[in-house]
Amino acid sequence: DTAVSQTPKYLVTQMGNDKSIKCEQNLGHDTMYWYKQDSKKFLKIMFSYNNKELIINETVPNRFSPKSPDKAHLNLHINSLELGDSAVYFCASSHEKISGNTIYFGEGSWLTVV
Amino acid sequence: KNEVEQSPQNLTAQEGEFITINCSYSVGISALHWLQQHPGGGIVSLFMLSSGKKKHGRLIATINIQEKHSSLHITASHPRDSAVYICASSGGGGYQKVTFGIGTKLQVIP
Repeated sequence: DTAVSQTPKYLVTQMGNDKSIKCEQNLGHDTMYWYKQDSKKFLKIMFSYNNKELIINETVPNRFSPKSPDKAHLNLHINSLELGDSAVYFCASSHEKISGNTIYFGEGSWLTVV
Repeated sequence: KNEVEQSPQNLTAQEGEFITINCSYSVGISALHWLQQHPGGGIVSLFMLSSGKKKHGRLIATINIQEKHSSLHITASHPRDSAVYICASSGGGGYQKVTFGIGTKLQVIP
């Protein structure tokens, strides 16, 4: 039973395409996140959602649009993909009361734009 | 803007050695996190601390709020400890406003 699962794990696509990465957590957490890890392995937060509401949007191009249909899901849609979007994208979740804010990460989605 | 610095960036140790990874941050924070990223890419949260010391198995994390410094110690290191260890500071609750360090790549040789 994977706590935070994201799909696909690997995605290779051409420039200009639109793609989505899905994320689901079964931990009952109220906060979900998307992080980007670049080629230098540096992690940066992209978005944070609490109870389906956007609370952080960190200097991310508006080609990236998160969608949270419910508290257990936070999907990442990327339009007009660019070469620089190639990275590993991590979904994560946490809950102040359930997990004491310990964060649980998905396994990552390797996106390669060619 | 908070900066998080880790040292060393790369570390090779012999099995059984005591290992220390250091983290310093530049502004006051509400919590300091240590994460472990496995060679396959998966990330696991090891510790979240705001004061003092926490221990889990062979791992110990300490924080000195006044000096804005945290350390992660691994006792009796083992090859399976080989991973990237990432320090992160958060200014608000949970992982909001979190700043990550660049990570320390640890290799433990048998």
